Amino acid sequence: QTVVTQEPSFSVSPGGTVTLTCGLSSGSVSTSSYPSWYQQTPGQAPRTLIYSTNTRSSGVPDRFSGSILGNKAALTITGAQADDESDYYCVLYMGSGIRVFGGGTKLTVL
Amino acid sequence: EVQLLESGGGLVQPGGSLRLSCAASGFTFSSYDMSWVRQAPGKGLEWVSVISASGASTYYADSVKGRFTVSRDNSENTLYVQMNSLRAEDTAVYYCAPVASGTKFDPWGQGTQVTVSS
Repeated sequence: QTVVTQEPSFSVSPGGTVTLTCGLSSGSVSTSSYPSWYQQTPGQAPRTLIYSTNTRSSGVPDRFSGSILGNKAALTITGAQADDESDYYCVLYMGSGIRVFGGGTKLTVL
Repeated sequence: EVQLLESGGGLVQPGGSLRLSCAASGFTFSSYDMSWVRQAPGKGLEWVSVISASGASTYYADSVKGRFTVSRDNSENTLYVQMNSLRAEDTAVYYCAPVASGTKFDPWGQGTQVTVSS
């Protein structure tokens, strides 16, 4: 069974830039995987940041961007702020109706 | 305003059953595929199932296939999931969400807690 991989944790300095990735244990992520990214803080429902690889959801600041880097999907945060400290999840479409979330990345801003 | 209200969660014994509901409003429910996503305590998000807009097609994660059945009533703008043969590992907050663009689950409700324990 294919696993969606994310870095378990990442750290960024305030004002810095960080790129989180979303890969496959077997194979490559492409636009046909329709990668999406979600932000979640403790006790809250997830918030949609990016869908269809690089489309920002309504109200999401432009310092969040999505792309394909090599064989992975990527979420880049430019000018990180303290309230970006959250868990970030990607999800991929695997075909045949199946979606799979990555294990999530805990982002620390310090 | 789009609203999703999940209900039906609670405490159930292993091997038991539960039916969750998701009442939708503020959008054309019958035009959207709908999904269930869950989150176990302290764990990440897990996609559970999706049902097409018409209800004709359903798909499930391997972890729930054969035990969960998703359905919808477009006349009542309500999504359901019937959960049978529940296990401790099904303990989670269950969210419903409309699906677009393949993997865009948006918006999310506040979820309903399911606890499987003796």
